[in-house]
Amino acid sequence: KAGVTQTPRYLIKTRGQQVTLSCSPISGHRSVSWYQQTPGQGLQFLFEYFSETQRNKGNFPGRFSGRQFSNSRSEMNVSTLELGDSALYLCASSLLAGGQFFGPGTRLTVL
Amino acid sequence: QKEVEQNSGPLSVPEGAIASLNCTYSDRGSQSFFWYRQYSGKSPELIMFIYSNGDKEDGRFTAQLNKASQYVSLLIRDSQPSDSATYLCAVNLGRSGYALNFGKGTSLLVTP
Repeated sequence: KAGVTQTPRYLIKTRGQQVTLSCSPISGHRSVSWYQQTPGQGLQFLFEYFSETQRNKGNFPGRFSGRQFSNSRSEMNVSTLELGDSALYLCASSLLAGGQFFGPGTRLTVL
Repeated sequence: QKEVEQNSGPLSVPEGAIASLNCTYSDRGSQSFFWYRQYSGKSPELIMFIYSNGDKEDGRFTAQLNKASQYVSLLIRDSQPSDSATYLCAVNLGRSGYALNFGKGTSLLVTP
């Protein structure tokens, strides 16, 4: 089975711009979660989607949003980018409660 | 604020020794516990999960859970240099869903 895929792998943006990241889960997985990873804060939960509905949300500002499509693919959007948004954004998919499986991540750099 | 705490390390062990990685969590209602391994520049990889008090073994890895003490550990037997990585402890974030609350990880170095 193919793993979780994320596109693009690398992005460079400037402050004030917006960005959309994409995630395709493992086939059959209906839960998709997004995380932000930085050296200082570690892995922080952004949100989780299940069957096109947001099921959980972390403590991030409203500039961070997401959605899930009927085929379980998910996108996350960050508007009005700030320097502090530079991070590795990881998507993870789950079938059951036996853990989440991560994609390779998107490395976002905000200049 | 739900916390998951890990010693950042680095934890250095000689090849062939047992590496012991520890994690504490603050939410007494937590039900699911996970260990991930992350190599530098790579994404986290699930090693194992545990739900019940006691030990769970998978190959060279043993997870131990003590809910009364709010403590989870991971033992790696016969440590190899290829085990050198950051080990992340994670706990289910809420009562529903699969979202996880991660510790900041312990860096493990296995020396030949």
